[in-house]
Amino acid sequence: EDQVTQSPEALRLQEGESSSLNCSYTVSGLRGLFWYRQDPGKGPEFLFTLYSAGEEKEKERLKATLTKKESFLHITAPKPEDSATYLCAVQARGGSNYKLTFGKGTLLTVNP
Amino acid sequence: GAVVSQHPSRVICKSGTSVKIECRSLDFQATTMFWYRQFPKQSLMLMATSNEGSKATYEQGVEKDKFLINHASLTLSTLTVTSAHPEDSSFYICSAPRDRPHNSPLHFGNGTRLTVT
Repeated sequence: EDQVTQSPEALRLQEGESSSLNCSYTVSGLRGLFWYRQDPGKGPEFLFTLYSAGEEKEKERLKATLTKKESFLHITAPKPEDSATYLCAVQARGGSNYKLTFGKGTLLTVNP
Repeated sequence: GAVVSQHPSRVICKSGTSVKIECRSLDFQATTMFWYRQFPKQSLMLMATSNEGSKATYEQGVEKDKFLINHASLTLSTLTVTSAHPEDSSFYICSAPRDRPHNSPLHFGNGTRLTVT
């Protein structure tokens, strides 16, 4: 069974204080790993897709990396507007098309 | 901008009534859409896969007679919660892939907060 574990559950940062969020996964062949941002009361907003170990993607203050067992979402010099829940999801090879298994997310709070 | 639109954003209904939630793909055709449910501080759980022109595929433990899915066109899928009960209160979110490759990301609607009293 595919599993996704995110840590920490919650993270508080001061504005400008860089940190990383972790996503550990167990999947029978990775087809893709996805990062989403979710604001309270909203649906998830797509951030990145990573397909193979060693791959990296960047967008503004966010950078996602991937190994064979985990992914990191690095946040550089965060701002209060980066506060949100960050979700990680995996798609397995041989599984149903597009089907994602999600972790519980990391609630990030950035204080001004 | 948004690529998937979901309506309504909030609904309150009485126990025993039915509620319909609409999910539309904007500017693209979606032969497949997905319905998720999310409880507070929990991960998104896939409920069912909606297939245009054919029956939906339900995940284990999801009652197909309670959660009726209709995907009558390439841009619209609906989820009807029949005979709703307080335990059905949750956040329901639909999603669709905009691109063809099967490892393309899903794009999500803004969700529907259902409260059953």
